[in-house]
Amino acid sequence: GAVVSQHPSWVICKSGTSVKIECRSLDFQATTMFWYRQFPKQSLMLMATSNEGSKATYEQGVEKDKFLINHASLTLSTLTVTSAHPEDSSFYICSPFTHEQYFGPGTRLTVT
Amino acid sequence: KQEVTQIPAALSVPEGENLVLNCSFTDSAIYNLQWFRQDPGKGLTSLLLIQSSQREQTSGRLNASLDKSSGRSTLYIAASQPGDSATYLCAVRYDYKLSFGAGTTVTVRA
Repeated sequence: GAVVSQHPSWVICKSGTSVKIECRSLDFQATTMFWYRQFPKQSLMLMATSNEGSKATYEQGVEKDKFLINHASLTLSTLTVTSAHPEDSSFYICSPFTHEQYFGPGTRLTVT
Repeated sequence: KQEVTQIPAALSVPEGENLVLNCSFTDSAIYNLQWFRQDPGKGLTSLLLIQSSQREQTSGRLNASLDKSSGRSTLYIAASQPGDSATYLCAVRYDYKLSFGAGTTVTVRA
């Protein structure tokens, strides 16, 4: 199956700062990348869908100006949480669009 | 909108017992259904993928069934082991997106 890496695996930042999360598809060219968010003891919620070379499509209720997604190449997609607040603390997971869906290991973001 | 429900939310069994995890979805127009395992603080590991045209899939001790018309899938894990302790998520693909259930957290007691 597709091998996906994320960096960093965990990050702690202060309120008001920005954090960038990288998602790399190591053995697969990902034209489309999904970004999910998971709060403790809850399921995954799709945040946005990014396509290489074009703007991301955001799910209802997700602020596009707060969660900036860049999909500049077929192997790299980034999610930047801008002006982070404690309520943005969550587990962020990426997943390239494939027939059988595979997921990155996730990034734990804690905003203090 | 696709709604996915998993019952029970949590399950605790002694080692060796068979596990039965249920998943239901509201819109039967799905492309496929996938079962995942998630360990605490980790990403998702794909366990089984069932195409909409299939009735079941098997891998080792795992067997998943799909009844698309009634909007149900069941994951069976035979002869459970402590290493099976994890959260199990089902997800259905409709359109191009995956819609997830909330998961069933399984504890297998040694």
